[in-house]
Amino acid sequence: AQSVTQLDSQVPVFEEAPVELRCNYSSSVSVYLFWYVQYPNQGLQLLLKYLSGSTLVESINGFEAEFNKSQTSFHLRKPSVHISDTAEYFCAVSDLNSGYALNFGKGTSLLVTP
Amino acid sequence: EAGVVQSPRYKIIEKKQPVAFWCNPISGHNTLYWYRQNLGQGPELLIRYENEEAVDDSQLPKDRFSAERLKGVDSTLKIQPAELGDSAVYLCASSSLSWGLGGDTQYFGPGTRLTVL
Repeated sequence: AQSVTQLDSQVPVFEEAPVELRCNYSSSVSVYLFWYVQYPNQGLQLLLKYLSGSTLVESINGFEAEFNKSQTSFHLRKPSVHISDTAEYFCAVSDLNSGYALNFGKGTSLLVTP
Repeated sequence: EAGVVQSPRYKIIEKKQPVAFWCNPISGHNTLYWYRQNLGQGPELLIRYENEEAVDDSQLPKDRFSAERLKGVDSTLKIQPAELGDSAVYLCASSSLSWGLGGDTQYFGPGTRLTVL
């Protein structure tokens, strides 16, 4: 069975510092990987996704994630965070065995302070 | 382009009462999903529609939950009767790719926060 583990429930960080949000998954088949962000009182928005090809994927607001098949990870990184990045971040995986339904992790709360 | 619309945004009911949530997906999106998000957890799929057909309802508690998407556009999720444990945020999402193709981006609505007293 497929599963997603987000290792940190909360990540506090100062503004302009780098951040890494960790995500590990398990699956017996090829996967698609996603990061969604949820700002307070809003719905989830896709941040970036890995389908195939280059293992490094980037978002328009400076986040990037790298698919590491050997370590079954898809960690999210940003070299310098802003106050506005404060939000809940969800890693999700889908594969053929689940009918490509999204299976989400429990989320990581990123809190950026001045 | 309008996003996924959900109503109501908030609902407070007493246990054993019925409740219904409505979702209008992005125009042209033939795949619609209902998720439940418990406090401190990620969303969990309840049901997925391809047009008006429910293609995956294995996680829907069918004794009290029901859903419909009669014309393949908007959808309603109902709980009858509601229990205390049903308190959660109910999210609707839609995508343009057909189920089974994989990799499609799901667009989420703002959700309905249900509180059962």
